[in-house]
Amino acid sequence: SQQGEEDPQALSIQEGENATMNCSYKTSINNLQWYRQNSGRGLVHLILIRSNEREKHSGRLRVTLDTSKKSSSLLITASRAADTASYFCATGHTDKLIFGTGTRLQVFP
Amino acid sequence: DTGVSQDPRHKITKRGQNVTFRCDPISEHNRLYWYRQTLGQGPEFLTYFQNEAQLEKSRLLSDRFSAERPKGSFSTLEIQRTEQGDSAMYLCASSDNNYGYTFGSGTRLTVV
Repeated sequence: SQQGEEDPQALSIQEGENATMNCSYKTSINNLQWYRQNSGRGLVHLILIRSNEREKHSGRLRVTLDTSKKSSSLLITASRAADTASYFCATGHTDKLIFGTGTRLQVFP
Repeated sequence: DTGVSQDPRHKITKRGQNVTFRCDPISEHNRLYWYRQTLGQGPEFLTYFQNEAQLEKSRLLSDRFSAERPKGSFSTLEIQRTEQGDSAMYLCASSDNNYGYTFGSGTRLTVV
């Protein structure tokens, strides 16, 4: 079963634009993580935000977490064609991660 | 250590055959996870190990599926009497805590 849902399911933008993806989840969490997956490959860990944090930055990535609304967002600034991939949020529990359904991002040069 | 390795990368098998996949985690990581991913979906949790102990199995894992992690090192996932519905990408990940998994490239299974 999958905990979260990402919105939108698909997103197409031009290089240089910002991309925002949202994630909603259902149960309490220890942390929330975002992963990236290029077509047909494994997932790569991008960033982790703990349940007591509200915002975190890493390079061009900005993640927010609102535990009262059970939602998170991932912002990629100044997108590049190489950012084209699927992005998944994953909620961290005591023993495992539960992944959402993903957002497919296409960045056009 | 070059990360998490999975073997084979691709497997095509006939319905009813048994298949076995192998995962070599990062050596310092004591946790190892198996996930299954179908096209257009996120990874679904199957099972995980802490060292050699299998601590949880998803209800998705029918009796035809078995996983082992002897000596707390590599792990194998076996599917017996494969069905077409087993066709998916099988992903292995390892972690030394719950903070950030390292995934392998996956084994893509096609059951014909």
